[in-house]
Amino acid sequence: RKEVEQDPGPFNVPEGATVAFNCTYSNSASQSFFWYRQDCRKEPKLLMSVYSSGNEDGRFTAQLNRASQYISLLIRDSKLSDSATYLCVVNFNFNKFYFGSGTKLNVKP
Amino acid sequence: EAQVTQNPRYLITVTGKKLTVTCSQNMNHEYMSWYRQDPGLGLRQIYYSMNVEVTDKGDVPEGYKVSRKEKRNFPLILESPSPNQTSLYFCASSPKAGHPGRNTEAFFGQGTRLTVV
Repeated sequence: RKEVEQDPGPFNVPEGATVAFNCTYSNSASQSFFWYRQDCRKEPKLLMSVYSSGNEDGRFTAQLNRASQYISLLIRDSKLSDSATYLCVVNFNFNKFYFGSGTKLNVKP
Repeated sequence: EAQVTQNPRYLITVTGKKLTVTCSQNMNHEYMSWYRQDPGLGLRQIYYSMNVEVTDKGDVPEGYKVSRKEKRNFPLILESPSPNQTSLYFCASSPKAGHPGRNTEAFFGQGTRLTVV
């Protein structure tokens, strides 16, 4: 069983749409959670950290549900430039990072 | 400019010929790590280092070696590369590990695309 599971997609949405991704993790002792964005085989870049209380950054909202062991990312008012692969990342045991295989988003005009 | 620098960006080599991929960060980060990325499998951790002279295996360490003699550098060594090590490799650094929250976010190098024939 993978440590972190994501729906690979692709999610094909029109500009302006709201889209949500979920990610589940297997280790209940996980400590830190992140969403990264990766463009076409380039390096991953941090989109946002995910905190227990949930957090928002502009059009992006991240939520953590420890009881059900999943994190979510909501993107409102999708832009063409949001097209990318979104990676869910979980850190536990102080030193190991586990990445999901990514969810691909295509925003179409 | 704060960055993680990997070299080379692209490399084609033959089976069994030792190679080193360099990684350097200028952010004084304690934690550094190597990943490989393969289609459908996502990024998998190869080795990591909590600080100078402290390294440990990740999930897929077989066929790789690392060293951390200085804080800024964390080279990845393939003593005898094989075709199954053909992959996209990323080096990353973080201010610290073991401190949940912002300080564990990772900064990535631009990647090294390795082909072993």
